[in-house]
Amino acid sequence: GAVVSQHPSWVICKSGTSVKIECRSLDFQATTMFWYRQFPKQSLMLMATSNEGSKATYEQGVEKDKFLINHASLTLSTLTVTSAHPEDSSFYICSARGTSGSQYEQFFGPGTRLTVL
Amino acid sequence: EDQVTQSPEALRLQEGESSSLNCSYTVSGLRGLFWYRQDPGKGPEFLFTLYSAGEEKEKERLKATLTKKESFLHITAPKPEDSATYLCVTHSGSARQLTFGSGTQLTVLP
Repeated sequence: GAVVSQHPSWVICKSGTSVKIECRSLDFQATTMFWYRQFPKQSLMLMATSNEGSKATYEQGVEKDKFLINHASLTLSTLTVTSAHPEDSSFYICSARGTSGSQYEQFFGPGTRLTVL
Repeated sequence: EDQVTQSPEALRLQEGESSSLNCSYTVSGLRGLFWYRQDPGKGPEFLFTLYSAGEEKEKERLKATLTKKESFLHITAPKPEDSATYLCVTHSGSARQLTFGSGTQLTVLP
């Protein structure tokens, strides 16, 4: 149980284009989903927290107009990187927290490698 | 401010050589301490949750323990496939988000 998927697993795009990343909880309902980014050899950095049906809460320094988050259902959240630039290249990881079991456990997706040319 | 410190940063073991990874934490109102395994290019994989001092959890060759200040991840007779970065993460009542340790990169040599 507690499986989280992400799609795509990797994406290459041109500078100025937008990219959408999907995060799904496959076998549980996720009341809260989180988006992280991770640079090589560094720890995960929380970008934003989203609750189903409400606006995402962004961490300080994260541009909400650049990183659009939608949490339309209890099993799906999307992150759209708008007008991507090379400095947005990173490893993006989502996680989900469920409605059953421990309310504090987060289960992570496999990540999406974004490369902006 | 919550702090999580893991040691060592890197550990190389021979196959079958048991050892322990350390996680020291300073948090206000611990609600849960989590261990994750992260392979290169992958998201963290959930291993254990510990809630209170004295608690222990086991899974195959791994055993996690918790005291009021530390957690240990014991690896018994490791195999090369246990090679990964192991992350210690806390959730507390005072922090809005998880606090991540910097990880221990474990390499098990055949």
